[in-house]
Amino acid sequence: GQQLNQSPQSMFIQEGEDVSMNCTSSSIFNTWLWYKQEPGEGPVLLIALYKAGELTSNGRLTAQFGITRKDSFLNISASIPSDVGIYFCAGQAFQGAQKLVFGQGTRLTINP
Amino acid sequence: KAGVTQTPRYLIKTRGQQVTLSCSPISGHRSVSWYQQTPGQGLQFLFEYFSETQRNKGNFPGRFSGRQFSNSRSEMNVSTLELGDSALYLCASSIRGANTGELFFGEGSRLTVL
Repeated sequence: GQQLNQSPQSMFIQEGEDVSMNCTSSSIFNTWLWYKQEPGEGPVLLIALYKAGELTSNGRLTAQFGITRKDSFLNISASIPSDVGIYFCAGQAFQGAQKLVFGQGTRLTINP
Repeated sequence: KAGVTQTPRYLIKTRGQQVTLSCSPISGHRSVSWYQQTPGQGLQFLFEYFSETQRNKGNFPGRFSGRQFSNSRSEMNVSTLELGDSALYLCASSIRGANTGELFFGEGSRLTVL
């Protein structure tokens, strides 16, 4: 089945540093999304991307939809303690179908 | 606006039993999806319901089933529980149509099978 390769699996950074994570797939996706999950909660949508090449920002977060439709990255600038959590990429093969394929997640830990 | 509500939050069952989990979507959301989250397999799609009809199904055995009611509330059932069914079961609702994939997740139901 479809799989997403998300890297890195974990990151340990200092507060104020920038963060980069990415996702690649062997299959094409029509939509890429990035979610964040904190302990005891469900994932929360951060950014949704609908067009190849699209670059979208949400505050300190920036994500891009790769031109090949097989990859996406998420950058977080000037990290703060509340950025701690697990970040998931997700791909949707067909718009209108609510089936998402998720990456394995990137666990972000920040040292104050 | 109330979020997605899942009940129960925690439950413990033994092998061979069955379990029913409930999900109330955000008001106005007619699509409800279910995902299983485990440390080993991550988040995996179970199924999606829209207007009381199953629209998509993941690669899970027939022991996993679900349904949706006319008020968009959804239930999922797992019969003949196995140890490997221990997981966090997440329900997500959305407005089906344009800009889909934007799911609103509940806090999940954590199932432990002993």
